[in-house]
Amino acid sequence: DAKTTQPNSMESNEEEPVHLPCNHSTISGTDYIHWYRQLPSQGPEYVIHGLTSNVNNRMASLAIAEDRKSSTLILHRATLRDAAVYYCILIAGGTSYGKLTFGQGTILTVHP
Amino acid sequence: GAVVSQHPSWVICKSGTSVKIECRSLDFQATTMFWYRQFPKQSLMLMATSNEGSKATYEQGVEKDKFLINHASLTLSTLTVTSAHPEDSSFYICSARDARGNSPLHFGNGTRLTVT
Repeated sequence: DAKTTQPNSMESNEEEPVHLPCNHSTISGTDYIHWYRQLPSQGPEYVIHGLTSNVNNRMASLAIAEDRKSSTLILHRATLRDAAVYYCILIAGGTSYGKLTFGQGTILTVHP
Repeated sequence: GAVVSQHPSWVICKSGTSVKIECRSLDFQATTMFWYRQFPKQSLMLMATSNEGSKATYEQGVEKDKFLINHASLTLSTLTVTSAHPEDSSFYICSARDARGNSPLHFGNGTRLTVT
């Protein structure tokens, strides 16, 4: 699987937007961009995923660069419950779909 | 939404005993499930891929005789840590892939294993 690069940590204040970047310069045409987050002592939680177009759901938005070499997860209004480790992961389609390689992720701290 | 249930959430066992961890997909069929291990302050590491009705595929460095995986139905995979030792103490997490494919992956809440 292609690698992703994320900042080790980011901080935000409550109620403010947060933009979490991810670089994936070696992405292939069939790789999906997934974001998961993990709260302490819990399993990862799906946040959002996309292929080429920007995506929105109730949790977040995903902005994908035109060349697909980077993406940004956008939390529109951070809350204390959004404090977690955020993982940006590329997932190839086909039979290996679901076999994830987790990087170190970005630790998001949200200040009240 | 889709839910993956993992049981138990924590277990303490004595060295040399075996422990079984269950992973169930509650409202979808999972032809493939994945088992991860996570040590403190580290990221998740894939251990094995569990396919319904066939043998599991283990990642390099993971002992298949020590970590027995069974995926007997489309909704249940089990991981048995045999002859557990203190170094096997870790956070074990499963995930399930919807049979429809290319859909979000769903994770269990993990099992904290402590071997004394």
